[in-house]
Amino acid sequence: DTAVSQTPKYLVTQMGNDKSIKCEQNLGHDTMYWYKQDSKKFLKIMFSYNNKELIINETVPNRFSPKSPDKAHLNLHINSLELGDSAVYFCASSHASDYYNEQFFGPGTRLTVL
Amino acid sequence: DQQVKQNSPSLSVQEGRISILNCDYTNSMFDYFLWYKKYPAEGPTFLISISSIKDKNEDGRFTVFLNKSAKHLSLHIVPSQPGDSAVYFCAASRSAPDKLIFGTGTRLQVFP
Repeated sequence: DTAVSQTPKYLVTQMGNDKSIKCEQNLGHDTMYWYKQDSKKFLKIMFSYNNKELIINETVPNRFSPKSPDKAHLNLHINSLELGDSAVYFCASSHASDYYNEQFFGPGTRLTVL
Repeated sequence: DQQVKQNSPSLSVQEGRISILNCDYTNSMFDYFLWYKKYPAEGPTFLISISSIKDKNEDGRFTVFLNKSAKHLSLHIVPSQPGDSAVYFCAASRSAPDKLIFGTGTRLQVFP
């Protein structure tokens, strides 16, 4: 009965490779997000989709491309991985109409680029 | 430009006493403030929230206070329990749906 799930939980890869992280939510939410937690533990927004439409796109290199095939899924594809991409990536979801903008987070994907 | 700041990276409190975690923000456009709790190797979990039209919100052992004029909020945990030991993040947001702007976190340790 996991609410927001991510796969894989750990990802170790070489510089220059392309990789994807998948996220699924079963909460019936209409908005999904990708956040990045770097080595200094800052949690920062990367992207957000509402009803499969991109609504937030922070200053993220265009090597990062999100894709939302439906409201319950938001994937993150990263091309030409660099050492600085090593971080923990969190997916989150919410209802656009939620008064407090409460977001539910997945367990995170720890990406290590060697 | 860190819009949300938690100036205490860590806090140590004895079981049964009060834990007070603080958070400051700079953007007066924020309407909603949320506290999240995070255990190692897990995602942040929502704890409690408050809107800018209120100055206090309670949920069991957790109370959040908001001082809009000072752009300051605090989370009080009474009584503190060992299971409360975690990293606590405050976050701010404008109207939903919108990104959450997170503070840098405070590691709370509750000892027996």
